[in-house]
Amino acid sequence: QKEVEQNSGPLSVPEGAIASLNCTYSDRVSQSFFWYRQYSGKSPELIMSIYSNGDKEDGRFTAQLNKASQYVSLLIRDSQPSDSATYLCAVDGSARQLTFGSGTQLTVLP
Amino acid sequence: DARVTQTPRHKVTEMGQEVTMRCQPILGHNTVFWYRQTMMQGLELLAYFRNRAPLDDSGMPKDRFSAEMPDATLATLKIQPSEPRDSAVYFCASGFWGINYGYTFGSGTRLTVV
Repeated sequence: QKEVEQNSGPLSVPEGAIASLNCTYSDRVSQSFFWYRQYSGKSPELIMSIYSNGDKEDGRFTAQLNKASQYVSLLIRDSQPSDSATYLCAVDGSARQLTFGSGTQLTVLP
Repeated sequence: DARVTQTPRHKVTEMGQEVTMRCQPILGHNTVFWYRQTMMQGLELLAYFRNRAPLDDSGMPKDRFSAEMPDATLATLKIQPSEPRDSAVYFCASGFWGINYGYTFGSGTRLTVV
């Protein structure tokens, strides 16, 4: 079992729709969870971080964390073509290293 | 904006040659990661440092890779000898562990070994 798993996609949504990205992790001691966005040929860019159970909203982005289920998700409301990218889930594990999932490629169709 | 600086941006080298990649973390950050990214494997953690001390380098092939942090402003990743399978993008990321602000990535070094 991989330490951090994401639905591999690719995921396509129409412009204006909600995109839902999911991630599960295996290390129960994990405390910090991050979502990074990576455009093709670019480096990962931090877009959201979450540490407590529940929802955290930042503009069109909402991160959701459920530690009991070891699940973290990212919702993108009113999706725009500029949101088309690969989204990486990252987990700060028990050894305090940062482990990434394999990413979900999102395409927002105009 | 503060940024993580990596050099070189691109490197083409012949198999067997030594390659050194450099990273200047953001001033004040106490944690530095080295990752390798390929299409097949995604982002793999190679090594990381906290307060300049190496904490884990189990992701690196020990016989050819080495990572050091000679001072707080410089982290290096060296491959000797390089092999075609080392072709990838190598990223450095820095952050301040303990504050949970996340980590900032550099622009990466795209390495091609021919």
